[in-house]
Amino acid sequence: QKEVEQDPGPLSVPEGAIVSLNCTYSNSAFQYFMWYRQYSRKGPELLMYTYSSGNKEDGRFTAQVDKSSKYISLFIRDSQPSDSATYVCAMTNHNAGKSTFGDGTTLTVKP
Amino acid sequence: DTGVSQNPRHKITKRGQNVTFRCDPISEHNRLYWYRQTLGQGPEFLTYFQNEAQLEKSRLLSDRFSAERPKGSFSTLEIQRTEQGDSAMYLCASSPMDGQFFGPGTRLTVL
Repeated sequence: QKEVEQDPGPLSVPEGAIVSLNCTYSNSAFQYFMWYRQYSRKGPELLMYTYSSGNKEDGRFTAQVDKSSKYISLFIRDSQPSDSATYVCAMTNHNAGKSTFGDGTTLTVKP
Repeated sequence: DTGVSQNPRHKITKRGQNVTFRCDPISEHNRLYWYRQTLGQGPEFLTYFQNEAQLEKSRLLSDRFSAERPKGSFSTLEIQRTEQGDSAMYLCASSPMDGQFFGPGTRLTVL
């Protein structure tokens, strides 16, 4: 079993929809949680970085961490066609170490 | 552009040849990471450096792989006697304290 499991998708939504992307993990030592956006054949782009449980908001994006359930989510409000990409969750047990990644969820937002 | 840069962007080689990739991190970042990514998968950790010291290596990094960061600035990743299974995107990331910032990757194809 992988340490990080991500809802596989693909996910297709109409423009303006609220999108929920989710990951679960098994390693209770993970403390730092990231979401990356990746376009085809490009490197991942860091979207959100959170520490410990709770919510963090940045514009239309909200990252949520529930350490008791070992569950993290990324919400996108008022989704736009430009949000169409693969979203990858990642986590690490300390901010200097390697990250363990999910396999990504491909999102398509249709105009 | 002050982001992470990687060269070359694409490399096609024949099985058995050696290849070397270069990564130039963001200048003030002292941590540098190498990952490998195949289609439909998230990035897999290979190794990381703090300054010039290589602090962790994945068991994925066989003895055909070697990475260096001689002056704590740029890094090289060498693969000797390439195999078809080495075909992947090789990603470099650098980090200050929070989150890792990725380069565009080097796509390796081994024929």
